[in-house]
Amino acid sequence: EDQVTQSPEALRLQEGESSSLNCSYTVSGLRGLFWYRQDPGKGPEFLFTLYSAGEEKEKERLKATLTKKESFLHITAPKPEDSATYLCAVQAGGATNKLIFGTGTLLAVQP
Amino acid sequence: EPEVTQTPSHQVTQMGQEVILRCVPISNHLYFYWYRQILGQKVEFLVSFYNNEISEKSEIFDDQFSVERPDGSNFTLKIRSTKLEDSAMYFCASRGPGQGSWENIQYFGAGTRLSVL
Repeated sequence: EDQVTQSPEALRLQEGESSSLNCSYTVSGLRGLFWYRQDPGKGPEFLFTLYSAGEEKEKERLKATLTKKESFLHITAPKPEDSATYLCAVQAGGATNKLIFGTGTLLAVQP
Repeated sequence: EPEVTQTPSHQVTQMGQEVILRCVPISNHLYFYWYRQILGQKVEFLVSFYNNEISEKSEIFDDQFSVERPDGSNFTLKIRSTKLEDSAMYFCASRGPGQGSWENIQYFGAGTRLSVL
């Protein structure tokens, strides 16, 4: 069964304290891995998509990487405005278009 | 910047009533989706829709649910007889027309919070 597991469930950082979020996946023929940001009461906001092992994408303080079993979202020198839930989702191979989400990591960055 | 628009933002209904959740996808997108998120749980896929028909649905999407694209801009989710366990945040998403990597991204609306009393 296709599955996505994210860790940690929650992470509290001081402003400027870099860290990484993990997304482990089991999927039949990965077509794409997606990172989204979700603020309270809002919909997921697209951040990155990765398609093959070794791929990396960067945007401001965020960098996403992908291996054959997991993805990391690295946050460098975070600011309070980076506080949100970060969701990882995978799209399996074949005819499916659905995204399978993990439970997310709730990030709190304190000033 | 184009965005997916959902209305209403909050819908309160009595158990057994019908509700229709509305979505306006991004204008040139051709693939449409509904997901739901029960409070504190994962975002779960419900249904995908392309070329005026359902292309995929989950076990959650039973006979009580239906989707429709009544005109060129709206995409709706109907729940015929709501149950308490239908209370959740419902997200609409849309995706671009092609198969290229940048067109494979699903963009989500802000959601409709459905409260069944």
